[in-house]
This record gives sequence, structure tokens and C-alpha cells, in this order.
Amino acid sequence: DAGITQSPRHKVTETGTPVTLRCHQTENHRYMYWYRQDPGHGLRLIHYSYGVKDTDKGEVSDGYSVSRSKTEDFLLTLESATSSQTSVYFCAIRSVLSGKSTDTQYFGPGTRLTVL
Amino acid sequence: AQSVTQPDIHITVSEGASLELRCNYSYGATPYLFWYVQSPGQGLQLLLKYFSGDTLVQGIKGFEAEFKRSQSSFNLRKPSVHWSDAAEYFCAVGSIQGAQKLVFGQGTRLTINP
Repeated sequence: DAGITQSPRHKVTETGTPVTLRCHQTENHRYMYWYRQDPGHGLRLIHYSYGVKDTDKGEVSDGYSVSRSKTEDFLLTLESATSSQTSVYFCAIRSVLSGKSTDTQYFGPGTRLTVL
Repeated sequence: AQSVTQPDIHITVSEGASLELRCNYSYGATPYLFWYVQSPGQGLQLLLKYFSGDTLVQGIKGFEAEFKRSQSSFNLRKPSVHWSDAAEYFCAVGSIQGAQKLVFGQGTRLTINP
């Protein structure tokens, strides 16, 4: 447990509505990530952050935006949700306590999003 | 482009039998390699990782993995599986430098027969 919480844990929404998912960490890690998990695809990176207000795109960023105004919070927004964004969304933090030997990503519990 | 292939979508083994899950990767630089496990409805838990040094790495729950650079493989093994090992297993590769954007395999679902 790396002190990561995600909210909400479950959400059902309708096509075209905006949705924001929140990831919160308690350990002041610099790097935070958003992945989506779909059957047959494993996890794919959506966006990541390397500091407050510093974000970059991942492999599947279309239709998503992110924001990080505080170290502890990383928000993922679907501006206008589509059925193809039905997925399980995982937040991760990168922990680098004492160099490469501890350089690892730890994952939150996930948010299951259904877009009808 | 980086990629990870887990050739086996689903494996069934008997309790007490040995296990090997395959992972092949394509990566241009020296990679970090990870194995994660996911129980149904849960998040991902790190089993083990390789970044340098000894190519045989030990992880939690009795798992080990061997990095073979010549074969671009990082196979996961366990000598004797337990019913509680039933889960989905993911291999991932990431960069040692920079943002460590992980690329995951498709996953292997493990079923244990009693």
C-alpha cells in the first residue's frame, strides 16, 4: 500500500457527459500516472505527471486531459465521455526512495467507469 | 517501439505443480522489467522486478524470474503453485532513464486445479 486512493471507485455515466477521476497520494511522490485496463490489452498509459503542473501524454491520450495543481492530487478528465472509454482506470505513483533498487510503480485500487 | 508479449492468455495448472509464465519484450535501451499480479477486482501488486545485476531475481510469494537478454525474455516461475496463486499476471517494461512509462503485456490468467 503506497498511500494511493482513487475516487470514485465506481461510476456510471452517459455518453457526452464530462467525468473527472481523482487520484490522491499521501507520500509526496513526484511521478504519477494514469493507465486504463481493457481485456486483451493489459494496461495502457494515458497521461503522466512529473511534478506540479508538469504533465505529458502517454500511448492512449486522445479524449483525456489531466491536471496536477498539488503534489498529492492527479486528476483525469474525460471532457465528453464515449462508450469506448468504458474501462477500469488505475492511478500509479513512482517510488524512488533510494535509487534504482527501489524505483517502482505502485498502483491504486482502480476506478471502474461505465459509459452508457 | 516498445512492446511486451505474453504468449499465453490462459494457463491452467494443478495445485502443487510447477509454473512458468512467458514474457518477451522489445525495447531499445536497457529496460526495467516487472511482473505484477492482479486478483479479481483488485489493483496490481508488484511481484518482482529486474533493473541490473543478477539475472535471476526473487520476488514475493515464492516467485522468481530470469532475465535473458539474448532472448529478450523475462519469464516468471514458481516451483509449486498454491490455489491462492490463481490471478492474472502482467509483465511490463519501462525505461531506467526518464519518466519510466510502463508498457504492459496483455496478461496471463492463471487457473489452479485442485
